[in-house]
Amino acid sequence: NAGVTQTPKFRILKIGQSMTLQCTQDMNHNYMYWYRQDPGMGLKLIYYSVGAGITDKGEVPNGYNVSRSTTEDFPLRLELAAPSQTSVYFCASSYAYRGKDTEAFFGQGTRLTVV
Amino acid sequence: GDSVTQMEGPVTLSEEAFLTINCTYTATGYPSLFWYVQYPGEGLQLLLKATKADDKGSNKGFEATYRKETTSFHLEKGSVQVSDSAVYFCALSGDAGGTSYGKLTFGQGTILTVHP
Repeated sequence: NAGVTQTPKFRILKIGQSMTLQCTQDMNHNYMYWYRQDPGMGLKLIYYSVGAGITDKGEVPNGYNVSRSTTEDFPLRLELAAPSQTSVYFCASSYAYRGKDTEAFFGQGTRLTVV
Repeated sequence: GDSVTQMEGPVTLSEEAFLTINCTYTATGYPSLFWYVQYPGEGLQLLLKATKADDKGSNKGFEATYRKETTSFHLEKGSVQVSDSAVYFCALSGDAGGTSYGKLTFGQGTILTVHP
């Protein structure tokens, strides 16, 4: 069982560069999320998706974009990297439908440093 | 909107001590409540959950009871071990009849360190 797979695990970007964090899940979950975790802090929701073709902003969406063209994939795009985006990024997925919902499964995280 | 508040940390205990980590929430209706654990260098994994009022979730000696009247979901363990050292997150998923259904909201996390 692969679960939720994130790539890359580590990345160093220069200010102004762009990159895409990849996330894929093989559990046929409808919900997918991107969180960032700053040192010593909790998780802040960047974007989430309730199904293919539907995305919505979380608490801290500025500087990021997402797309959900398939159930399995939910990439996160950083267009112009800034030092404030230095963080650990987690992708997660879950299933929720008509009152029946599962736990969220998390990827291993991507540690991003912007210099 | 929904929110989760955890007790301020970090928490440092000796092995075999009793653990309580407080968690309160704000949400409409009957959200599902969760405790997640994050070991160093890893992603989050589910520790336990409760989906309705008065439910008790339990796993690996940890317990938490869904208290609707006090909007709380406090985590407890009777005797902690060094291997329990991790960051613990309380979270909620919105009520099935609400706009935040399925959307996870996390508390800020509590760092637990257990010494031998």
